[in-house]
Amino acid sequence: DTEVTQTPKHLVMGMTNKKSLKCEQHMGHRAMYWYKQKAKKPPELMFVYSYEKLSINESVPSRFSPECPNSSLLNLHLHALQPEDSALYLCASSQEYTRGPNYEQYFGPGTRLTVT
Amino acid sequence: AQSVTQLGSHVSVSEGALVLLRCNYSSSVPPYLFWYVQYPNQGLQLLLKYTTGATLVKGINGFEAEFKKSETSFHLTKPSAHMSDAAEYFCAVSYTGGGNKLTFGTGTQLKVEL
Repeated sequence: DTEVTQTPKHLVMGMTNKKSLKCEQHMGHRAMYWYKQKAKKPPELMFVYSYEKLSINESVPSRFSPECPNSSLLNLHLHALQPEDSALYLCASSQEYTRGPNYEQYFGPGTRLTVT
Repeated sequence: AQSVTQLGSHVSVSEGALVLLRCNYSSSVPPYLFWYVQYPNQGLQLLLKYTTGATLVKGINGFEAEFKKSETSFHLTKPSAHMSDAAEYFCAVSYTGGGNKLTFGTGTQLKVEL
């Protein structure tokens, strides 16, 4: 199974709401990633977890809060977002991170987030 | 610093024609190079990758790419385009010492016409 699943598929939230995005993989991968992708742009890396520890935070605003409860799950908690945070949020996983750089990243289908 | 340049944000070909999507990289160390495809409202899927060894890399769906160090290029080709190839294509680079972090190009939208 080479699938990365993400829920929900679509999310509409107000600027005062709190919501969470969920990502799951069962490939035994030890690295998981969150990306943000605006329309017609490449994905931008937000966070990387390696062995359930946060390895990379690409200066993401604190209104985005990642969590890795176990090696298969990755959450992204959202609070007090701005309309400019509307985007496709992609999760990915790979076998390793630190021992990279040649490990394939497997991407989920994404969550389309709209902030109103 | 590593970077990727994709020439042509939009490429249009006829069905059955050759597909050529261009990617040039800038890297001070040996690069690892990837091509990903993204269909509408979907995530990214790896087409092929170059790490070391053979410079001509074959991928899925009939695509291939050739690593040319002298030209710092990794262009993606397919001999005969199919309507189902219409998608966004991203070239990406990573490098030893950078973890598994990918630096993406700006993408090329491929349109296939009848």
